[in-house]
Amino acid sequence: GENVEQHPSTLSVQEGDSAVIKCTYSDSASNYFPWYKQELGKGPQLIIDIRSNVGEKKDQRIAVTLNKTAKHFSLHITETQPEDSAVYFCAASKGRSGSARQLTFGSGTQLTVLP
Amino acid sequence: DTAVSQTPKYLVTQMGNDKSIKCEQNLGHDTMYWYKQDSKKFLKIMFSYNNKELIINETVPNRFSPKSPDKAHLNLHINSLELGDSAVYFCASSQFSGEILTDTQYFGPGTRLTVL
Repeated sequence: GENVEQHPSTLSVQEGDSAVIKCTYSDSASNYFPWYKQELGKGPQLIIDIRSNVGEKKDQRIAVTLNKTAKHFSLHITETQPEDSAVYFCAASKGRSGSARQLTFGSGTQLTVLP
Repeated sequence: DTAVSQTPKYLVTQMGNDKSIKCEQNLGHDTMYWYKQDSKKFLKIMFSYNNKELIINETVPNRFSPKSPDKAHLNLHINSLELGDSAVYFCASSQFSGEILTDTQYFGPGTRLTVL
């Protein structure tokens, strides 16, 4: 089955700096890569996703890049703010079972933005 | 107006008991999921239902039985609770639309289950 590795497990940055989180996946058939943000005591929330026919996607301060050849994808957060502090999860999926999409999650990165 | 809601938020119980967690979504989605997040925050899918039909069933002990009375509800019943069942359980929902190619999974707030 799919295996997703995520690094680093913890990341501390100064407010205003950039943060980068990296993930690798094992199944070359995977074609959908979402990133989720989980704040303390809450459920994960999708922040950005990318599909295998695209190499990069941006949404304001957040960007995701995908290298299909190397089977890795990364989350980039620029101009970090204290409210960016949370656990971030990457995930990979190679398709659906009917209408259900099976996501395999990475182990998470605790991002702390220091004021 | 909560999109995906779960009850209860906290559940503390003794080993060997049977308990249920309820999930409801008001997004009109046709697919719902249960995930387990362990103490190291590792998130793993357990089940998925589409229009009350089981689609995904990962390697989960048969003490766990999902039940979907209608497409807006997916409950999780756990028999003979064990210490290792302590975790946070998340419900999620999604709607696949082939034209729009969007099937974002929306997660509920989670239920923290503690087995003593």
